[in-house]
Amino acid sequence: DQQVKQNSPSLSVQEGRISILNCDYTNSMFDYFLWYKKYPAEGPTFLISISSIKDKNEDGRFTVFLNKSAKHLSLHIVPSQPGDSAVYFCAASVPYGDSNYQLIWGAGTKLIIKP
Amino acid sequence: ETGVTQTPRHLVMGMTNKKSLKCEQHLGHNAMYWYKQSAKKPLELMFVYNFKEQTENNSVPSRFSPECPNSSHLFLHLHTLQPEDSALYLCASSQQLAGSSYNEQFFGPGTRLTVL
Repeated sequence: DQQVKQNSPSLSVQEGRISILNCDYTNSMFDYFLWYKKYPAEGPTFLISISSIKDKNEDGRFTVFLNKSAKHLSLHIVPSQPGDSAVYFCAASVPYGDSNYQLIWGAGTKLIIKP
Repeated sequence: ETGVTQTPRHLVMGMTNKKSLKCEQHLGHNAMYWYKQSAKKPLELMFVYNFKEQTENNSVPSRFSPECPNSSHLFLHLHTLQPEDSALYLCASSQQLAGSSYNEQFFGPGTRLTVL
């Protein structure tokens, strides 16, 4: 049973418009949510995060919104640029053991920015 | 070298071979991870080493054997693999701070493994 779900395998957006990537989760114990971006033949790179005690975090063109009641978060990219074409992963930080944390990952959404 | 490096980048092996994947982190982190990524699936955590001690083993088959000789190096020893083990194997590191739930992980480029 997937605890972090990204239900859209792919998304196509016109350059300059807003890209909205969605992520749903089931576990209310998650402390932090992180978004990663992955290009082909490279490892994922960290993009932006949000604490479970906040509902919004912004960094330049990237904004993450968290709706705890709906157990839903979204990543907004505006304006979208060709270099944003990549696979985006949503991940959640969850405790395990006495004092350690691990990340639970979604399956990813492939974002394609059309010129 | 900076960040997290992995070698080899590509590996093709038969089911009877023995090979090893290597990961090195240059970030001074205290935790290292092995992940498996299969097509269109979430990243699957395989092993975690925290302060060189293995703290997680998510029911990974014994044909995968990790080794962490120090806090900068991590190996994944492979033997008698199956074709379904073909995947991208990613190494990551992070600095786990006592009392903090924040766990930003830094990834290497991965090893694309094909088992024939």
